[in-house]
Amino acid sequence: NAGVMQNPRHLVRRRGQEARLRCSPVKGHSHVYWYRQLPEEGLKFMVYLQKENIIDESGMPKERFSAEFPKEGPSILRIQQVVRGDSAAYFCASSPATGMYEQYFGPGTRLTVT
Amino acid sequence: AQSVSQHNHHVILSEAASLELGCNYSYGGTVNLFWYVQYPGQHLQLLLKYFSGDPLVKGIKGFEAEFIKSKFSFNLRKPSVQWSDTAEYFCAVNEDGKLTFGQGTILTVHP
Repeated sequence: NAGVMQNPRHLVRRRGQEARLRCSPVKGHSHVYWYRQLPEEGLKFMVYLQKENIIDESGMPKERFSAEFPKEGPSILRIQQVVRGDSAAYFCASSPATGMYEQYFGPGTRLTVT
Repeated sequence: AQSVSQHNHHVILSEAASLELGCNYSYGGTVNLFWYVQYPGQHLQLLLKYFSGDPLVKGIKGFEAEFIKSKFSFNLRKPSVQWSDTAEYFCAVNEDGKLTFGQGTILTVHP
């Protein structure tokens, strides 16, 4: 039973570089969610995607951050021109649909910006 | 926007002690409520969930939670904790697909 897969588990980037975080949902799940956990803070919602569509991106910073979930392949969270404040753990979750379903979480990607 | 508040940041107990972790939410509509647990070095796992029906919900590993609508609360309980329950616990509410989490409670159980 393959759960949510995320890679890489750890990512180090210098300021100004791009970070690409990948998430493969549970097989058969068509809904993907990204959350961020900053140091000393709880998990915060970033974006909710369904195949090829962004459903809710109200938690995404307006600049430098983007997310996609293509018809084929994993969901990608992309951070351009990273800054030290982007250092955090990024978690992906998936569900078979929205509403009365739990979200299954991946192990997270820990991004460190030097 | 709704919010979730967990009363305790860090709880320290001895084995066999009883546990209650507080959770309050602000959302006034129909709520779907969850407790997740994150064991050291592992990913978030669902402990239990409430959608409707019986307000006393039983989850895995002997945990339960009670939904009290009038108090906007969903407290997590376990009558007798074990050392293996050492973890961080998160309360969350679902609104239109996205989860709003509390800030988490770190539980440390001493053998």
